[in-house]
Amino acid sequence: GAVVSQHPSRVICKSGTSVKIECRSLDFQATTMFWYRQFPKQSLMLMATSNEGSKATYEQGVEKDKFLINHASLTLSTLTVTSAHPEDSSFYICSASGTGGSEQYFGPGTRLTVT
Amino acid sequence: AQKITQTQPGMFVQEKEAVTLDCTYDTSDPSYGLFWYKQPSSGEMIFLIYQGSYDQQNATEGRYSLNFQKARKSANLVISASQLGDSAMYFCAMTPAYRGSTLGRLYFGRGTQLTVWP
Repeated sequence: GAVVSQHPSRVICKSGTSVKIECRSLDFQATTMFWYRQFPKQSLMLMATSNEGSKATYEQGVEKDKFLINHASLTLSTLTVTSAHPEDSSFYICSASGTGGSEQYFGPGTRLTVT
Repeated sequence: AQKITQTQPGMFVQEKEAVTLDCTYDTSDPSYGLFWYKQPSSGEMIFLIYQGSYDQQNATEGRYSLNFQKARKSANLVISASQLGDSAMYFCAMTPAYRGSTLGRLYFGRGTQLTVWP
């Protein structure tokens, strides 16, 4: 199956700083990437959908100015958590799908801890 | 709106036995896809099986089979011959699109924690 990578896998940052998470499709062109957030022992909640070359579509309740998403190429999408606070600590997972009916492939996730 | 319901927060099964994880869904879309994912403690989401709303036969993938009952809007996952490595969180998910078209977002259930004991 297709491979999606995420970097970093774990990050600890101080409150008030910004953190960038990368999501890469390694062997296919991802026209659409999705960013999910998962709190401990809970389900995945979609944060936003990004299409290459266009602005991301955010789910209701997700602050677009806080969670900046850039999908500049067909293999890379980034999520930047700006001015992070402890409540932003969570597990962030991206997924990617290609053109023509490919399924979604998930990255391994990034565990963010804000101190 | 789409909704996925997994009513079993936890399930226990003995090694080599079969187990069924329940999933019901609600949607007004005529075409949709149903997925099951496994999430071990490492956090990665592992795709297990897919069922399209117009698929005539229930999907099977090795030890995994999906008991799809469209009229009842249920898509239960059956794991045969459970192994210790099957212990994980299992999520049922739905996309309001049919495979063969560009997939949209996934709607996830709350998950079922499966524990396999020797």
